[in-house]
Amino acid sequence: DVKVTQSSRYLVKRTGEKVFLECVQDMDHENMFWYRQDPGLGLRLIYFSYDVKMKEKGDIPEGYSVSREKKERFSLILESASTNQTSMYLCASGQRHYGYTFGSGTRLTVV
Amino acid sequence: RKEVEQDPGPFNVPEGATVAFNCTYSNSASQSFFWYRQDCRKEPKLLMSVYSSGNEDGRFTAQLNRASQYISLLIRDSKLSDSATYLCVVSYGGSQGNLIFGKGTKLSVKP
Repeated sequence: DVKVTQSSRYLVKRTGEKVFLECVQDMDHENMFWYRQDPGLGLRLIYFSYDVKMKEKGDIPEGYSVSREKKERFSLILESASTNQTSMYLCASGQRHYGYTFGSGTRLTVV
Repeated sequence: RKEVEQDPGPFNVPEGATVAFNCTYSNSASQSFFWYRQDCRKEPKLLMSVYSSGNEDGRFTAQLNRASQYISLLIRDSKLSDSATYLCVVSYGGSQGNLIFGKGTKLSVKP
């Protein structure tokens, strides 16, 4: 089974802090994705990457950046955390014809 | 705008009931279709892919109607453990394999 591991299950950060969310997959997938999920809004794509050092903006990239230095690792960076970035963050990897596998999520609270 | 629409529910059904969820998508070029299941405060998990000919996995049957841009999921003999949110997912054209998620339909199976 594909395993997608997110480094933290719960995080509490202060407004203005730089926050790093890490995601690692073990199936040599080229495509990796970062979503956030909020009640009533569903899953929204922040950024995705289809290869090392390649990245594409999703629907809501503002306030975020990403890094893909190695194929197995895709990092989401909140440059200066704000309270409206309090959310569940989900990393996924896979191919569109076969569906994605998600990590268990990071619940981030910005205070 | 690429969209996937679902009835948010909740669907409240007794054990043993048959329940059907529907989903419509806006992009006629969509190529791959899935149903995901998401338990409360957990990550989405792939339930099944949806093929043009329709497909069945135990108590679950998925159907695709490309002409009407419509996907369905039928659950027979509902179990308490089927209680979850069911997400309709569609891929759209492009080489990088991005998926669009519906906001989900909540199912609650009661004893």
